[in-house]
Amino acid sequence: QKEVEQDPGPLSVPEGAIVSLNCTYSNSAFQYFMWYRQYSRKGPELLMYTYSSGNKEDGRFTAQVDKSSKYISLFIRDSQPSDSATYLCAPGRGSNYKLTFGKGTLLTVNP
Amino acid sequence: DAGVTQSPTHLIKTRGQQVTLRCSPKSGHDTVSWYQQALGQGPQFIFQYYEEEERQRGNFPDRFSGHQFPNYSSELNVNALLLGDSALYLCASSLTIAREQFFGPGTRLTVL
Repeated sequence: QKEVEQDPGPLSVPEGAIVSLNCTYSNSAFQYFMWYRQYSRKGPELLMYTYSSGNKEDGRFTAQVDKSSKYISLFIRDSQPSDSATYLCAPGRGSNYKLTFGKGTLLTVNP
Repeated sequence: DAGVTQSPTHLIKTRGQQVTLRCSPKSGHDTVSWYQQALGQGPQFIFQYYEEEERQRGNFPDRFSGHQFPNYSSELNVNALLLGDSALYLCASSLTIAREQFFGPGTRLTVL
């Protein structure tokens, strides 16, 4: 079983839709959970991270973690065409420990 | 404040050759990590440098080596290139006490 599983999509939604992106992980040692956004042919950009079960909100983005089921989600409200990118989940542990990435979900938001 | 910079942007090599990729971390950051991202995959951790020493290493062969300089910049060297080494090579910088890692734009390596 891979440490981090992520549905690669692709996911296509109309502008204004609510998007749900999900990951599961197997390693109980993971303590915090990062979400990166990667535009085509660019480096990943850190969107947000959380280190406890529950929700964390930042503008149109909400990260949700359920450590009991090892399930993490990223919700995007009022999606925009500029949100079209690949979204990568990356659990980690300790300070500066290596990140373990999922394959990423390719999202397209259609105007 | 410049973010993480990498050079070169693109590189084409042939099998068996050697390549060196370079990374300058964000101002104030002291740790550099290298990742390999194959097409359609998430980044895979290669190794991490702090205080000019390799601190962590992923599941990559010894053909992959690195170096960190006193100014915290770093190099990734790959010897005896294989076709399968074709990928986007990403550098991430961070503070050793922190969790967040910030990525550069990457170097796209093509091995023919």
